[in-house]
Amino acid sequence: ETGVTQTPRHLVMGMTNKKSLKCEQHLGHNAMYWYKQSAKKPLELMFVYNFKEQTENNSVPSRFSPECPNSSHLFLHLHTLQPEDSALYLCASSQDRGGQDTQYFGPGTRLTVL
Amino acid sequence: GQQVMQIPQYQHVQEGEDFTTYCNSSTTLSNIQWYKQRPGGHPVFLIQLVKSGEVKKQKRLTFQFGEAKKNSSLHITATQTTDVGTYFCADAGNNRKLIWGLGTSLAVNP
Repeated sequence: ETGVTQTPRHLVMGMTNKKSLKCEQHLGHNAMYWYKQSAKKPLELMFVYNFKEQTENNSVPSRFSPECPNSSHLFLHLHTLQPEDSALYLCASSQDRGGQDTQYFGPGTRLTVL
Repeated sequence: GQQVMQIPQYQHVQEGEDFTTYCNSSTTLSNIQWYKQRPGGHPVFLIQLVKSGEVKKQKRLTFQFGEAKKNSSLHITATQTTDVGTYFCADAGNNRKLIWGLGTSLAVNP
């Protein structure tokens, strides 16, 4: 149903592990986003990429490292995470980085850090 | 920074009852987008409101943008179990980022 896919859907990792989240959009969009969704908090924008260039980094700790090799793919590399980083990580895309654009979300990766 | 408040945080209704969620801001909203997230799902775009006083309808859902563009509302008439989920409003904002509300979680008793 959605043109945005995310893998894996669930991930459990220890604090010393390194893992990567993958997002792919099949909508021909130019902008891609990473969000963090925790219980009882608003959706937190982490990173924005427009035409493969990072245009937004919302003071995200360096243990989260994004990568955007092309307009269709977005990665989030994770290392030495903390238990409080456990959350649903959502990828989204839009036609342009303009805030008035509709954002299309992927199903998310449910991350648990032990 | 700008904040978008949504009330109520939770709402429990009997199937067939109406439901309304409100989105408020202390500053003027640019464009309001509404999204719905089903339990275990991801946010899905519902609608965007742009003009002051704008009213849009989608079947049983009515969306309204305040005259002063400082508030918006989503009203559902005769709720059904398929309406269950969390409804988010988001302001497009002047810096071209979406500013999200906390969401209103709707539960519907059959």
